[in-house]
Amino acid sequence: AQSVTQPDIHITVSEGASLELRCNYSYGATPYLFWYVQSPGQGLQLLLKYFSGDTLVQGIKGFEAEFKRSQSSFNLRKPSVHWSDAAEYFCAVDDYKLSFGAGTTVTVRA
Amino acid sequence: EAGVTQFPSHSVIEKGQTVTLRCDPISGHDNLYWYRRVMGKEIKFLLHFVKESKQDESGMPNNRFLAERTGGTYSTLKVQPAELEDSGVYFCASTSGTPGSAGANVLTFGAGSRLTVL
Repeated sequence: AQSVTQPDIHITVSEGASLELRCNYSYGATPYLFWYVQSPGQGLQLLLKYFSGDTLVQGIKGFEAEFKRSQSSFNLRKPSVHWSDAAEYFCAVDDYKLSFGAGTTVTVRA
Repeated sequence: EAGVTQFPSHSVIEKGQTVTLRCDPISGHDNLYWYRRVMGKEIKFLLHFVKESKQDESGMPNNRFLAERTGGTYSTLKVQPAELEDSGVYFCASTSGTPGSAGANVLTFGAGSRLTVL
């Protein structure tokens, strides 16, 4: 069965600094990979997805993620975080249904 | 287009009571999913409807949980009787395509229904 690991439970970053969230997956075939974000009081919003092709994918809100098959990773990055990026971020892999990681909470300090 | 709507947004009940959560998917979306996140853990799959039929209910924890999707439109998830461990956030999601096809695997989620069982 597929699984997703997000090693970092909580990350604190200064506004304007770069952010990288780690995601490792276990899946036998070519995975469909996703990053979702949940802001306080909001539902899960899709940031970006990888199905095939270019391994660097761009998403909304200035986020990008890179698929590395050799490392079974799909890390999320943002060059300069804004206070509004404080949220919980979930990596997911799809095999007819989504399997989520445990989530990473991002705190942004002024 | 309107998004996925869930209500109530928050429900507080006593152990042993019954709660019904409702989900209105995006109009025209045949595929409807329920997920649950208990305190601080992963978001877990509960079940999947295609129209009014249960395609996969392998994630339903036990027979205290009953999901229905009348006429292939909205769905309800009933917990009866509720136990303390049922507390968590219940998410509904929908998509129009066929699971397993690349373009179809993007789910639109609702804001979730938080259930607190005391």
